[in-house]
Amino acid sequence: AQSVTQLGSHVSVSEGALVLLRCNYSSSVPPYLFWYVQYPNQGLQLLLKYTSAATLVKGINGFEAEFKKSETSFHLTKPSAHMSDAAEYFCAVSDFGNEKLTFGTGTRLTIIP
Amino acid sequence: EAQVTQNPRYLITVTGKKLTVTCSQNMNHEYMSWYRQDPGLGLRQIYYSMNVEVTDKGDVPEGYKVSRKEKRNFPLILESPSPNQTSLYFCASSYAGNSNQPQHFGDGTRLSIL
Repeated sequence: AQSVTQLGSHVSVSEGALVLLRCNYSSSVPPYLFWYVQYPNQGLQLLLKYTSAATLVKGINGFEAEFKKSETSFHLTKPSAHMSDAAEYFCAVSDFGNEKLTFGTGTRLTIIP
Repeated sequence: EAQVTQNPRYLITVTGKKLTVTCSQNMNHEYMSWYRQDPGLGLRQIYYSMNVEVTDKGDVPEGYKVSRKEKRNFPLILESPSPNQTSLYFCASSYAGNSNQPQHFGDGTRLSIL
């Protein structure tokens, strides 16, 4: 079965600093990978997705993620944090031919003014 | 506007009193799914549906029922709710047959079972 590990349930960064949220997946074949963001009292919103077209994926709000098969990783980054980035972030994986999403446990990002 | 609509957004009820959480999408999606979100556990799939009259269990189906009589609606039924079903619930939908399609989520339903 697929699994996703997000290292760090809470991450704090200063405004303007680099954001790095970690995600590792377990899969014997390259899966589809997604990052979702959840703002308070809202549902999940897609940030970006990897579908094998390119290993570096750009998403909304200045976020990007790089698929590294050798490390089974799909870490999320943003060069300069903004106060509005404070939210919970979820990494998720699905297999080819299977719509089911398996989620990581989430990382709560706090931005320090 | 493309959206997934859940009702109610908040509900406090008592053990054993049947309840239904409705979910409706306006994107003509075939695939619909229910998740529950609990602190430290992320989102876990309860049930999903590939199309009308086609439903199947997810990872945590115990205590829940679903139905898919129409393409746009996918209600979640708790026939005899218990306190361990206190959680935040999300409905999601997407096109089927192409698993790289992102799922669209509703705004969530916070259930408290006393």
